[in-house]
Amino acid sequence: AQTVTQSQPEMSVQEAETVTLSCTYDTSESDYYLFWYKQPPSRQMILVIRQEAYKQQNATENRFSVNFQKAAKSFSLKISDSQLGDAAMYFCAYRSAYTGNQFYFGTGTSLTVIP
Amino acid sequence: DAGVIQSPRHEVTEMGQEVTLRCKPISGHNSLFWYRQTMMRGLELLIYFNNNVPIDDSGMPEDRFSAKMPNASFSTLKIQPSEPRDSAVYFCASTPSVILAGLQETQYFGPGTRLLVL
Repeated sequence: AQTVTQSQPEMSVQEAETVTLSCTYDTSESDYYLFWYKQPPSRQMILVIRQEAYKQQNATENRFSVNFQKAAKSFSLKISDSQLGDAAMYFCAYRSAYTGNQFYFGTGTSLTVIP
Repeated sequence: DAGVIQSPRHEVTEMGQEVTLRCKPISGHNSLFWYRQTMMRGLELLIYFNNNVPIDDSGMPEDRFSAKMPNASFSTLKIQPSEPRDSAVYFCASTPSVILAGLQETQYFGPGTRLLVL
């Protein structure tokens, strides 16, 4: 099975600053999809951004962008102009393009935004 | 669209009691997933269904746990008998048909059921 690693259990950022959350994954597949989910205190899981492995261009959604390094199997999330509402647990996830619908999640990074 | 619906949102029960968690996936979605989230173990996949058929239940902790999906719009996760270590947040998620939406489609999560077994 694929593994997804988030090596930063906790991160903090000053409001309005930029923060980068790390994610690495292990796979032998050439085509797959990567996701970042946000889980605020309400516990709802919310999709933040997704990336198709066959696309070289990094995905961007407003203040959220990724740095996808396929050779390094790295998929980091950059949050610009951090806001208090960005405080949450962030999960990185992997989905194969070949086998079924199963997602593999990392252990999460807890982000604190300091006013 | 109402999104994935889970009930109850909160459940407090005593050890030994039967607990049934319910999930209604988004209409048209043909894959359904049950996850458990705890501080110690993070987010764990328990079981998932494709077209109402269980595909992978290797994450189900033990025989006390069972899941069913009698039709495309309803699934249950049952714990019998419940134990304090089952206390967690249980999430249901669904994805649309691979044929219709393509493999890039994401999972849509329900709000979760917070279970406390005393």
